[in-house]
Amino acid sequence: EAGVAQSPRYKIIEKRQSVAFWCNPISGHATLYWYQQILGQGPKLLIQFQNNGVVDDSQLPKDRFSAERLKGVDSTLKIQPAKLEDSAVYLCASSFSSLAEKETQYFGPGTRLLVL
Amino acid sequence: AQSVTQLDSQVPVFEEAPVELRCNYSSSVSVYLFWYVQYPNQGLQLLLKYLSGSTLVKGINGFEAEFNKSQTSFHLRKPSVHISDTAEYFCAVSNSGGYQKVTFGTGTKLQVIP
Repeated sequence: EAGVAQSPRYKIIEKRQSVAFWCNPISGHATLYWYQQILGQGPKLLIQFQNNGVVDDSQLPKDRFSAERLKGVDSTLKIQPAKLEDSAVYLCASSFSSLAEKETQYFGPGTRLLVL
Repeated sequence: AQSVTQLDSQVPVFEEAPVELRCNYSSSVSVYLFWYVQYPNQGLQLLLKYLSGSTLVKGINGFEAEFNKSQTSFHLRKPSVHISDTAEYFCAVSNSGGYQKVTFGTGTKLQVIP
């Protein structure tokens, strides 16, 4: 079974530029999560999708971050414009369902972003 | 609101020695508890989870954790570590109802010394 795929793996941009990350979850997983992991900290949930609907985006900085999951499968996370403090690893995870709260989340390898 | 505290940011231990990584949580409702491991340049992988039932949970790679409700703890243990256990370990808590919302601790880096 293929795991969660993310691209790119690494990205370096200058502040005020825009950047986009892509995630392909495990086939059949209805729930998709985007996390931000700043160096030295644990992952912080940015947004959670159930199919193509948003379940939780309370910690997403909506003035600069956006995410979509148009067909309920792949997802993209965009930052525009980027700030220095956005430097982090962006992790994508998926689970079969978030309604069954016991579901295990499966994580991708992450995209490491450096904003100069 | 729920939170997780991992007091030890780094834990060095000699190979074949036992190790305990500490985790305390805070929540006003019933919770599920998890331990994840993150190897360098990789995503997180589930080690074990406590949902209900027996308070001693066994996971992959010889790890186990014990849920202690009175002390609100979920410490991770391994009786004999291997070099390959060198990684960062995250404790996490999830609400036990509705949509799953997981809160992670800040992580503990386990450094196994040969």
